Amino acid sequence: QVQLQESGPGLVKPSETLSLICTVSGGSVSSGSYFWSWVRQPAGKGLEWIGRVYTSSTTNYNPSLKSRVAMSVDTSKNQFSLKLSSVTAADTAVYYCTRSDNVWGQGTLVTVSS
Amino acid sequence: QSALTQPRSVSGSPGQSVTISCTGTSSDVGAYDYVSWFQQHPGKAPKLMIYDVTKRPSGVPDRFSGSKSGNTASLTVSGLQAEDEADYYCCSYAGSYKVFGGGTKLTVL
Repeated sequence: QVQLQESGPGLVKPSETLSLICTVSGGSVSSGSYFWSWVRQPAGKGLEWIGRVYTSSTTNYNPSLKSRVAMSVDTSKNQFSLKLSSVTAADTAVYYCTRSDNVWGQGTLVTVSS
Repeated sequence: QSALTQPRSVSGSPGQSVTISCTGTSSDVGAYDYVSWFQQHPGKAPKLMIYDVTKRPSGVPDRFSGSKSGNTASLTVSGLQAEDEADYYCCSYAGSYKVFGGGTKLTVL
């Protein structure tokens, strides 16, 4: 059974870059025709789609975040990652990684504060 | 891009049916048969309940069904049960990216 686990700093300073990793266990990040996505949720608010990456490294990003987002897949580590630059307090949220929307990590809270 | 429009809340009694609407535009919901629905309980990760408008992932009860007409998609929950009380989000492909609805709180009375 495939499981996903997000990891990364829980606190990021304004203007810096948020970096998260999603580790895949029980399956391979390079198998099948899956896509690997990131979704975030500010406290008490709704879900926001950040983007997705395929094993081929093809990416799709939310137009509102596109200038600040980068996603990649590391098949050697069975991981995929999210980088969000120039963060502000508005980027404070629980960040989830997913496999084709059907398997989700538990989420990790990232707070942007000095 | 704007979020899809969902009612803030819906409610129903056990055994009844409720329908949650999700209104988009001709650039997202109306353009593609790629609408998904997610259930989220407090403090938990979302769970995929419906994908590609009408399809159910393995393990999702057939009490949950999806449909679409024009720019509006719908999720119907039949035979309401207490555990169905949760937030529900629709999500549509919009041509290279996806957009979520604002979410609907389903209360089982």
